Amino acid sequence: EAQVTQNPRYLITVTGKKLTVTCSQNMNHEYMSWYRQDPGLGLRQIYYSMNVEVTDKGDVPEGYKVSRKEKRNFPLILESPSPNQTSLYFCASSLQGTEGETQYFGPGTRLLVL
Amino acid sequence: DAKTTQPTSMDCAEGRAANLPCNHSTISGNEYVYWYRQIHSQGPQYIIHGLKNNETNEMASLIITEDRKSSTLILPHATLRDTAVYYCIGSYSNYKLTFGKGTLLTVNP
Repeated sequence: EAQVTQNPRYLITVTGKKLTVTCSQNMNHEYMSWYRQDPGLGLRQIYYSMNVEVTDKGDVPEGYKVSRKEKRNFPLILESPSPNQTSLYFCASSLQGTEGETQYFGPGTRLLVL
Repeated sequence: DAKTTQPTSMDCAEGRAANLPCNHSTISGNEYVYWYRQIHSQGPQYIIHGLKNNETNEMASLIITEDRKSSTLILPHATLRDTAVYYCIGSYSNYKLTFGKGTLLTVNP
């Protein structure tokens, strides 16, 4: 089944403790992206990647890192999480990130930073 | 990306057509109109997109006005499972989608 998976689905952590949220897709997509969703603010793009070893900042990249060493994986790294990074995170992928493509979203990771 | 305006919420009776409007008066000539929906904090789901012509797929129809300043998403026979937040997005490409607040569509029995 074609899908985007994220792990963990739920995470509670404390300020400053490094964490990684994994994202994996099995559709051989070149484009992958991370979004965060907060009440009243909608979904905002954090980082995106057009292909392996190619990443770029979205609208809200501060406090996040990403890497794209393999086509299928696009982990989101929070080196020193803070409470304002408490949010619902979504990973997405599409074939090449060009117009007319369907963008597939993962199920989401709910993060609470204490 | 074009700024879009959608009603905050709408209701529809089960089995009837749901018509969701979107204003995008600042859209430029090469910006597509995309529609996604999100069911209760699940990942957004692609519905349909278009540039100038009306489009139809197995999920919905998209009607774009001739001046491209507005569009309407039509769910022909709404079911309870169509209750969701619907996002209208104007974008040059699919790699950077700016989601607004969308329209909460509630389908009632």
